[in-house]
Amino acid sequence: KAGVTQTPRYLIKTRGQQVTLSCSPISGHRSVSWYQQTPGQGLQFLFEYFSETQRNKGNFPGRFSGRQFSNSRSEMNVSTLELGDSALYLCASRVVEGKGNNEQFFGPGTRLTVL
Amino acid sequence: AQSVTQPDIHITVSEGASLELRCNYSYGATPYLFWYVQSPGQGLQLLLKYFSGDTLVQGIKGFEAEFKRSQSSFNLRKPSVHWSDAAEYFCAVGAQAGTALIFGKGTTLSVSS
Repeated sequence: KAGVTQTPRYLIKTRGQQVTLSCSPISGHRSVSWYQQTPGQGLQFLFEYFSETQRNKGNFPGRFSGRQFSNSRSEMNVSTLELGDSALYLCASRVVEGKGNNEQFFGPGTRLTVL
Repeated sequence: AQSVTQPDIHITVSEGASLELRCNYSYGATPYLFWYVQSPGQGLQLLLKYFSGDTLVQGIKGFEAEFKRSQSSFNLRKPSVHWSDAAEYFCAVGAQAGTALIFGKGTTLSVSS
């Protein structure tokens, strides 16, 4: 079974631009979560989507948004980019129902650099 | 407040020696505990998890962890470290229903020959 895939793997943007990152979960996984990883703050939860609805949100400004499609694929958008948004953005998927429903499987991440 | 503390930022271990990485957590509800490993430029790979039952859990790559409720700890161990174990290790805690994981800051493991 294929793992979580994220595209693109690397992005370079300039301040003020916006960016969209994509995540395809493991087949059969209906929940997708996004995390930001930076050297200073570590791994921080952004939000989770399940059944095309945001179910949980971390403490990030409204510039960070996301959505989920009917096939469970998810996109994350960051508008008006700031230098501090430079990070590795990780996507994770989980089954939701049944045993092991909170075990999250991570993708390789998208490395975003804001200049 | 909910939090995970990994006291050791960086540990160096000789190849073949034993390893213990420490993790302490603060969590209001029943904790679901995880250890992940991250190699440079890669995502996170789940090593093992604790939901309930036996407090000593076995994971992949020869790792094990012991849950000690009285100490709010979930330390990761390996009896004999291999050079390929060099990576960053993250302890995380979550709720029964999944959703947000709270991660520690990570421990970087270096393996010397």
